[in-house]
Amino acid sequence: GQNIDQPTEMTATEGAIVQINCTYQTSGFNGLFWYQQHAGEAPTFLSYNVLDGLEEKGRFSSFLSRSKGYSYLLLKELQMKDSASYLCAGDFSSNDYKLSFGAGTTVTVRA
Amino acid sequence: EAGVTQFPSHSVIEKGQTVTLRCDPISGHDNLYWYRRVMGKEIKFLLHFVKESKQDESGMPNNRFLAERTGGTYSTLKVQPAELEDSGVYFCASSQETGAYEQYFGPGTRLTVT
Repeated sequence: GQNIDQPTEMTATEGAIVQINCTYQTSGFNGLFWYQQHAGEAPTFLSYNVLDGLEEKGRFSSFLSRSKGYSYLLLKELQMKDSASYLCAGDFSSNDYKLSFGAGTTVTVRA
Repeated sequence: EAGVTQFPSHSVIEKGQTVTLRCDPISGHDNLYWYRRVMGKEIKFLLHFVKESKQDESGMPNNRFLAERTGGTYSTLKVQPAELEDSGVYFCASSQETGAYEQYFGPGTRLTVT
């Protein structure tokens, strides 16, 4: 596999900031995805990074460093509804965006 | 616009039986993917269709699994005969056209083989 590693669990307080780190093998890497999955529901797309740097989208931002094989998802102003599993996935395919997922990080937001 | 739908949502079968899972992608989406999550593991790729053609089936675990996509619309994934290790959640995802990176996932089918 492509060794997608991310923490298993994180807990934070409502209104706070949480950063979910993800590391991966750089060989064959094309791009990095983040998905959100609430329990029993479909994963939903959050972000896609191809170039180095930070991409901001509302309360969520995603960062990529291709040379270090590292990404993070930053969740700001946490809300209770942000409690979910966050999936880091890499594209290592030649032409078809075949996703290789990490095991997911369960984020619990406390009041 | 309707999202990706999967049927059934749950299926419980006995070892040795056959099960067919169905996925209806978003209308007009050329790309259709099947993924699987077994208990305690990460989601893993099974195969990818472009319209009715199999683009990549490198993730299919063995020849007990057969995927089809009739006319480039809905897809079925048949497991025959089912084994205990086939238990898990089977996800389908679709994306619009070649080069479209955002995949829209269905809610999954939870398969339990007893």
